[in-house]
Amino acid sequence: QQQVKQSPQSLIVQKGGISIINCAYEITAFDYFPWYQQFPGKGPALLIAIRPDVSEKKEGRFTISFNKSAKQFSLHIMDSQPGDSATYFCAAGGASGTYKYIFGTGTRLKVLA
Amino acid sequence: ETGVTQTPRHLVMGMTNKKSLKCEQHLGHNAMYWYKQSAKKPLELMFVYNFKEQTENNSVPSRFSPECPNSSHLFLHLHTLQPEDSALYLCASSPLTFPYEQYFGPGTRLTVT
Repeated sequence: QQQVKQSPQSLIVQKGGISIINCAYEITAFDYFPWYQQFPGKGPALLIAIRPDVSEKKEGRFTISFNKSAKQFSLHIMDSQPGDSATYFCAAGGASGTYKYIFGTGTRLKVLA
Repeated sequence: ETGVTQTPRHLVMGMTNKKSLKCEQHLGHNAMYWYKQSAKKPLELMFVYNFKEQTENNSVPSRFSPECPNSSHLFLHLHTLQPEDSALYLCASSPLTFPYEQYFGPGTRLTVT
């Protein structure tokens, strides 16, 4: 079964620190890699996404780094804030012939004030 | 209303009850999804609809019965559930054009007693 492996399962970071969440995928046909952010009591919301033809994408404090040869991608949250405390999911999608996403298992991030 | 809405937000039901979850999307999308989100488990894709036609059923027990009368509305009919069915049920929608970005509703927190 297609999988997207995500680590760590949980992460505690001091305010102002860098949070790093990693994902690895198996199917090379994936062509789109979004990250979702979910706050308690809410549904996941699209945060940032990347295509494999670029190695990095930055939006504000959030950066995706992409390593196509290793089939890995990661989310970096710079200057982490308590308001960033949430669960983060990576996903892989865009494969030819399917519009489904394969989601990672999620990382619960807590940023200490 | 904008985005994806779900009702009710919370539901407590006995094992012999029959209830329905409702999802409505106001984004003009043509694909709709039901996911189950349990504690410490990845998002589980349950059903996928494409233009009202069910295209995927991921071995979901028959006590869950989806209905998609049109591209904007999705229901999940529940009957004779088990306590292990207690979870957050998320609805999502997406366009059928790349990159098929999924937009989630806030979810229905279901408790089966």
